Amino acid sequence: DQQVKQNSPSLSVQEGRISILNCDYTNSMFDYFLWYKKYPAEGPTFLISISSIKDKNEDGRFTVFLNKSAKHLSLHIVPSQPGDSAVYFCAASGGTGNQFYFGTGTSLTVIP
Amino acid sequence: NAGVTQTPKFQVLKTGQSMTLQCAQDMNHNSMYWYRQDPGMGLRLIYYSASEGTTDKGEVPNGYNVSRLNKREFSLRLESAAPSQTSVYFCASRGGAIYEQYFGPGTRLTVT
Repeated sequence: DQQVKQNSPSLSVQEGRISILNCDYTNSMFDYFLWYKKYPAEGPTFLISISSIKDKNEDGRFTVFLNKSAKHLSLHIVPSQPGDSAVYFCAASGGTGNQFYFGTGTSLTVIP
Repeated sequence: NAGVTQTPKFQVLKTGQSMTLQCAQDMNHNSMYWYRQDPGMGLRLIYYSASEGTTDKGEVPNGYNVSRLNKREFSLRLESAAPSQTSVYFCASRGGAIYEQYFGPGTRLTVT
């Protein structure tokens, strides 16, 4: 049973516009959430994270929003750039922080 | 720093053959992980090692064994490969209280 879900397999956005990637989770014990970016033939790289005690975390062009009551988080990229084209995974952890559950990924294409 | 390294990059096995995937990290991290990535399934945790000398099962451990050889190295063994184990395998490490994982470049395994 998938505890972390990314319901949009793909997303296309014009360069300079906002990209919004969504993620839902089912386990209320999750207390830390992360976004990773993955290029083809490479391993995922960490992008941004948020603790459950916050509802927003910002790092440059990237902002993650957490809505605990809805068990939903989103990643906003503003402005989007062609180099942002990649697969984005959300991940969640809870308790000891030893296990991480990943979503299925959203492939973002930023059109020049 | 090389970060997380994995060998081999590619491997083709016949059903029933065995092999070991190697992973090493040079960041002095305590925790190490093995994931598999399959189309439409995201990354799924196979095994993890929270510290040297300990290993625990993740979501999909069947058909695999692991060894935490020392703090740097964490290997994944397939004793009798099956076509269902065709996948891309990623090793990752994490240090201390930091939640972010650092991933290796992956091993693409095909079992025929």
